[in-house]
Amino acid sequence: GIQVEQSPPDLILQEGANSTLRCNFSDSVNNLQWFHQNPWGQLINLFYIPSGTKQNGRLSATTVATERYSLLYISSSQTTDSGVYFCAAGGGTASKLTFGTGTRLQVTL
Amino acid sequence: GAVVSQHPSRVICKSGTSVKIECRSLDFQATTMFWYRQFPKKSLMLMATSNEGSKATYEQGVEKDKFLINHASLTLSTLTVTSAHPEDSSFYICSARDQGINSPLHFGNGTRLTVT
Repeated sequence: GIQVEQSPPDLILQEGANSTLRCNFSDSVNNLQWFHQNPWGQLINLFYIPSGTKQNGRLSATTVATERYSLLYISSSQTTDSGVYFCAAGGGTASKLTFGTGTRLQVTL
Repeated sequence: GAVVSQHPSRVICKSGTSVKIECRSLDFQATTMFWYRQFPKKSLMLMATSNEGSKATYEQGVEKDKFLINHASLTLSTLTVTSAHPEDSSFYICSARDQGINSPLHFGNGTRLTVT
């Protein structure tokens, strides 16, 4: 099955800083999503982005499907951005998603 | 938007008992639902694919007799953890799509199971 890796595993930022999270996947995909998991475990869907670029406020994401990676950009980070960010990918006829290892982000004052 | 509801959000049970977790698609029909498990500070691992009207498809290493899945209607899938043991304590999350295969998965809020 598809393999999904994320980097960095941990990231500490000062409030106001920008960051880039990376997701590499091992095969072609027809589904790629970015999530933010809050301290209560809820998965917040940030982007559905199997290809191209999308923006939502301070967040944006780009997937280069031909090179098998996706990037999540967080600008002007806030303490509420803290948590774990997951990307998940799926490909072929399988409709399931495989999750990456996650990036744990801590934003400090 | 599509909403997936999961119940209960938290459950504590004694070792040896069984626990049922429900996953409902509130405003759409789902022929397929997915069950994930997450251990503390780990990623989400797919346990099984729940298929309406037929048997679930389990991932390698997941005991189907331990984790019983029933998908009896287009809006409800259930996961029953049978004869629970402390090592089954985990966070269980279900998900479903409201459209075709090339559309996002929507996730429930999860169920935190603690077996004492």
